Amino acid sequence: AQTVTQSQPEMSVQEAETVTLSCTYDTSESNYYLFWYKQPPSRQMILVIRQEAYKQQNATENRFSVNFQKAAKSFSLKISDSQLGDTAMYFCAFISNAGGTSYGKLTFGQGTILTVHP
Amino acid sequence: KAGVTQTPRYLIKTRGQQVTLSCSPISGHRSVSWYQQTPGQGLQFLFEYFSETQRNKGNFPGRFSGRQFSNSRSEMNVSTLELGDSALYLCASTFSGGAGETQYFGPGTRLLVL
Repeated sequence: AQTVTQSQPEMSVQEAETVTLSCTYDTSESNYYLFWYKQPPSRQMILVIRQEAYKQQNATENRFSVNFQKAAKSFSLKISDSQLGDTAMYFCAFISNAGGTSYGKLTFGQGTILTVHP
Repeated sequence: KAGVTQTPRYLIKTRGQQVTLSCSPISGHRSVSWYQQTPGQGLQFLFEYFSETQRNKGNFPGRFSGRQFSNSRSEMNVSTLELGDSALYLCASTFSGGAGETQYFGPGTRLLVL
């Protein structure tokens, strides 16, 4: 079974600064996908960024980038130029490409509450 | 294109009752996944439906069931409600349920069991 661990329950950052959220995962699969989702106080889950495991190049999406270390099973999220609107709970998630018992099943970490201070 | 919608948004029930939650996926999406979110257990996968068939199921008791209709709308049902079923229930849709597809989430149904 896959597990996802986020070791930082809470983080805070000043507006315009950079912050990195950590995520590690455990799997025996070789083909999978990793995601970061954010959940603001409205509780709407929003995709931030995704990474295909077969790609060595780290994904980037505007101010958001990841550091994907496949051998170490690490997948951290870096937020640059933090904005007040980035305040949210951030979840790291994993999904296997094995089909069968993996269909539609995201496995989430426990989340990291990020607060951006003005 | 309209997003994923869930109804109702809020629900209060008492122990022993049953409840049905509804999820309408993004137009053209045929896969719907359901999740339960609680402060203690976090986000847990309930089940996934594709073309009216349940393809995957999480580790929940049989009181939790679901179905999907020909228009891809999905419902989940919880019978004999327990206090511990109080949670935010989220559904998400994708085109075909493939691992590489982004799951688009609805706003959730907040269920309170008294």
